[in-house]
Amino acid sequence: LAKTTQPISMDSYEGQEVNITCSHNNIATNDYITWYQQFPSQGPRFIIQGYKTKVTNEVASLFIPADRKSSTLSLPRVSLSDTAVYYCLVIGRDSSASKIIFGSGTRLSIRP
Amino acid sequence: ETGVTQTPRHLVMGMTNKKSLKCEQHLGHNAMYWYKQSAKKPLELMFVYNFKEQTENNSVPSRFSPECPNSSHLFLHLHTLQPEDSALYLCASSQGARFYEQYFGPGTRLTVT
Repeated sequence: LAKTTQPISMDSYEGQEVNITCSHNNIATNDYITWYQQFPSQGPRFIIQGYKTKVTNEVASLFIPADRKSSTLSLPRVSLSDTAVYYCLVIGRDSSASKIIFGSGTRLSIRP
Repeated sequence: ETGVTQTPRHLVMGMTNKKSLKCEQHLGHNAMYWYKQSAKKPLELMFVYNFKEQTENNSVPSRFSPECPNSSHLFLHLHTLQPEDSALYLCASSQGARFYEQYFGPGTRLTVT
């Protein structure tokens, strides 16, 4: 089971680009990297998932280097509403739901 | 709105009470989940149901009893809880094998007095 390590907290300002890096040194060949976002007193929300290189959607981009031992979630031009906890998960698509581990996440605070 | 609703949103109960949490998903998913999120702790998966059948039980105490009458509804029956069971209880759903892409409800904030 691939363990992930990400910063406990980060601060940034409105309009900046924020990059949150996650380490997953023992990622397996069939593991995918998934990110969730959680606002206070709400359930987590699926943001993005990727396997290698770069994935982009309307919310964020996910950069994964060739060795896949880390990944970076990039949030362009953040606003105050992006203040949340961001979770990096490594999940094998052929494993079971019990293998989903959210961890402590990165608490991102955006200031005016 | 994620398509997953939970009621009640807040619940205060005594240790001798019996109450139930309800979750409903309007996404046509066939897998549903209960999670517990305590203060300053990561989310803990409690139960997983796939096509109404329980497929995971993460060593949850018997004072928590899940029920899944159909793929759209999930209940968590609570009885003789302890104060340490106070937490945010989250329901989620997913489509088939896409368990990595779960849609969460807003949660029920439970306080046990």
